Amino acid sequence: DTAVSQTPKYLVTQMGNDKSIKCEQNLGHDTMYWYKQDSKKFLKIMFSYNNKELIINETVPNRFSPKSPDKAHLNLHINSLELGDSAVYFCASSHNLGVTEAFFGQGTRLTVV
Amino acid sequence: ILNVEQSPQSLHVQEGDSTNFTCSFPSSNFYALHWYRWETAKSPEALFVMTLNGDEKKKGRISATLNTKEGYSYLYIKGSQPEDSATYLCALLFYDKVIFGPGTSLSVIP
Repeated sequence: DTAVSQTPKYLVTQMGNDKSIKCEQNLGHDTMYWYKQDSKKFLKIMFSYNNKELIINETVPNRFSPKSPDKAHLNLHINSLELGDSAVYFCASSHNLGVTEAFFGQGTRLTVV
Repeated sequence: ILNVEQSPQSLHVQEGDSTNFTCSFPSSNFYALHWYRWETAKSPEALFVMTLNGDEKKKGRISATLNTKEGYSYLYIKGSQPEDSATYLCALLFYDKVIFGPGTSLSVIP
């Protein structure tokens, strides 16, 4: 059983399209995150939710909107995709805002053409 | 902007050597420091969560220490094995942000 699963694993789409990446965790965690791995391979936090409440909202374009329908899911919706959005996006989850270890999904490689 | 630094950037060691690398930070206002191991084409895997000054954690041949007063955490690997080859990341958790270091890339030569 995969603890944190993201779908799709690969996403190729045209500029201007709207797309979603889904994330689900079956660990019973209360905190979920979205990270972007930039072109220099750095991991940067985008959003964090705790018990479905947004607690970290980094400076990302408002074309990116997270949605947490319940504690086990944190989806990332991206409007009007741009070339610069091409990256690997990782979802992760943990207990209690990260005072316990975080588990990462396998990543979604988004390519905007 | 708070910078989390890791040194060295990359490291090549022989199998059996012990090694260590550093995560350094200018602020102690975080509530947790995480160490991760990240193999190519995989996702980061948690190694340790450290929360208190003086924390020491150990998992097999890998251990870590945290010194918040002087602003660093060390990760030690004893008797490196080829399967230890990976990038090792540290991350500082604040209530309003998470900041990752750039990582130390370790290659263990058989």
